[in-house]
Amino acid sequence: EVQLVETGGGLVRPGSSLKLSCATSGFTFSNTWMNWVRQAPGKGLEWVALIKDKYSNYEAKYPESLKGRFTISRDDSQSRVYLQMNTLRDQDTATYYCTRPVNFGSYWFPYWGQGTLVTVSS
Amino acid sequence: DIQMTQSPASLSASLGETVTIECRASEDIYNGLAWYQQKPGKSPHLLIYNANSLHTGVPSRFSGSGSGTQYSLKINSLQSEDVASYFCQQYYDYPWTFGGGTNLELK
Repeated sequence: EVQLVETGGGLVRPGSSLKLSCATSGFTFSNTWMNWVRQAPGKGLEWVALIKDKYSNYEAKYPESLKGRFTISRDDSQSRVYLQMNTLRDQDTATYYCTRPVNFGSYWFPYWGQGTLVTVSS
Repeated sequence: DIQMTQSPASLSASLGETVTIECRASEDIYNGLAWYQQKPGKSPHLLIYNANSLHTGVPSRFSGSGSGTQYSLKINSLQSEDVASYFCQQYYDYPWTFGGGTNLELK
């Protein structure tokens, strides 16, 4: 059974940093592209980051609005994906979901974690 | 970025009714579209991919159609468990983008 479990959320001050983690199991992590998607309270979904597998040189992709502040990374030995978030802003307040596609070459998300809430507030 | 405009933002329908939700892309996305259902407090759940392919285990009363810039999700014979928010997502081009969502409630 595919499992994605996010941790690391919490209440932080504007300008601070936070690193989220997603522990995975139930599939071959090393050849799976992984993503983060977020959802502000009561709002829609926003794709945050993608990290490809070693065969694609771990290429990362971000929306232009988050480039430079957010960094996605992965540890294939631990089957974990991470999201480093720097210089956090009020508008980064959201539930952050770890997601994965069904297989290589698909870009829709049948698998989601339960999410971890990040609250940025002074 | 490709903008996804979803309509209506909210919808009220009766049990057994047929409901249609629309998603319009700002440019041709060549059927690179998925639909998700999200219930309060839960993670999104994939319904449709490639505009019209039903994800495993999704009831056949859900269907997707469309092409080019115009896509729709249809729910036949609305059930009480279909009360949720629905989102479209384009994955034709980066950054992948979502529609603003449709809140479906029972009349």
